[in-house]
Amino acid sequence: DADVTQTPRNRITKTGKRIMLECSQTKGHDRMYWYRQDPGLGLQLIYYSFDVKDINKGEISDGYSVSRQAQAKFSLSLESAIPNQTALYFCATGSDSTDTQYFGPGTRLTVL
Amino acid sequence: AQSVTQLDSHVSVSEGTPVLLRCNYSSSYSPSLFWYVQHPNKGLQLLLKYTSAATLVKGINGFEAEFKKSETSFHLTKPSAHMSDAAEYFCVVSDRRNAGNMLTFGGGTRLMVKP
Repeated sequence: DADVTQTPRNRITKTGKRIMLECSQTKGHDRMYWYRQDPGLGLQLIYYSFDVKDINKGEISDGYSVSRQAQAKFSLSLESAIPNQTALYFCATGSDSTDTQYFGPGTRLTVL
Repeated sequence: AQSVTQLDSHVSVSEGTPVLLRCNYSSSYSPSLFWYVQHPNKGLQLLLKYTSAATLVKGINGFEAEFKKSETSFHLTKPSAHMSDAAEYFCVVSDRRNAGNMLTFGGGTRLMVKP
């Protein structure tokens, strides 16, 4: 089984809808991250969490919120989706003993 | 502040010929540097990582990268391309001073391999 899983893998929604993307990990890492990928821009950090009680904004947090339900679960929400949030979203995990991050398979989100 | 520039957005090579993907970085401290690969409809897979040990880093699938501090470069190479190498490649820097070990990504290079 994959160490970092994301659900759903693909989602099409309409403008104004609330969307939640979920991430789970079995690596036992404390740190979890959400990124979005747009063509030509690499990955940009949306939010990150160092433990269950710690949530931090990344470079592009506007329009997004997160919830760290447990050490292994980190969800990303779009309260009112808009078309320019159409992108590929990645969850990643890491630990304080290394700066390597491990990525999930991604969620492709389309907002019409 | 740290930044990464991947000098080519697209690279096309023939199968069996060498691959060179170029990356320059900027970091105010001794960085960690990574190359990740993303195959179509897949997540990001770590190819290799530099952390101030040997300047020539060997990764998976025959790839390697050389850290050149004087040139602030971390170019990715492979002697002989295979069709399965066709993917997008990301050069990534981490400033190990920052508590979160935040990663900064380059814009990506799409490698195409012709038969």
